[in-house]
Amino acid sequence: DIVMTQTPLSLSVTPGQPASISCKSSQSLLHSDGKTYLYWFLQKPGQPPQLLIYEVSNRFFGVPDRFSGSGSGTDFTLKISRVEAEDVGVYYCMQSLLLSYTFGQGTKLEIK
Amino acid sequence: EVQLVESGGGLVQPGGSLRLSCAVSGFTLSDHYMDWVRQAPGKGLEWVGRTRNKANSYTTDYAASVKGRFTISRDDSKNSLYLQMNSLKTEDTAVYYCARGGPAIHFDHWGQGTLVTVSS
Repeated sequence: DIVMTQTPLSLSVTPGQPASISCKSSQSLLHSDGKTYLYWFLQKPGQPPQLLIYEVSNRFFGVPDRFSGSGSGTDFTLKISRVEAEDVGVYYCMQSLLLSYTFGQGTKLEIK
Repeated sequence: EVQLVESGGGLVQPGGSLRLSCAVSGFTLSDHYMDWVRQAPGKGLEWVGRTRNKANSYTTDYAASVKGRFTISRDDSKNSLYLQMNSLKTEDTAVYYCARGGPAIHFDHWGQGTLVTVSS
């Protein structure tokens, strides 16, 4: 299985400040079709995960533009330009290149 | 509006069986892959398995941890997805989510989850 490693595992951010989460995969997520199969999810407290970003940098419908994804190959980053209180929760990256799909350990974001 | 609602969770003894259901609405089930993802208490997310869409002959795949014990099925006419879980182990204790899969964008909609507790 492809191993997904996130850093940091937790971060505390002042509202209005930026935040960044790194995700590294044990092998390249670039498919022969030219797409890179890396997703980002946010799981708010007591809720199921919700899709934020698919294929590295595509925001899902309704996701605020303060969220952005970047990266290639094995190194990826989720950035929040200005953290808001509603952004608290656990962020997960996931690879969908190969079954079994695998998730990172999660990064818990809290507000200072 | 797309909705997914799981049911069927509960307490079961090790070695027992349980069948989870996921009722969907707001989209044509036969067009989509459907997946099960689980989350052990206080832990991260683990992909369990998938059933592909009609165009891909409803083929299934499973995580190694559940292969041979769990079976995913679907009834598009009833807008329902199922997860039959046999030979349950204590480590299968988790909240089980159904999620709408591809073939294009994966996991764009999730149910609220149903808790399965395997304990004697």
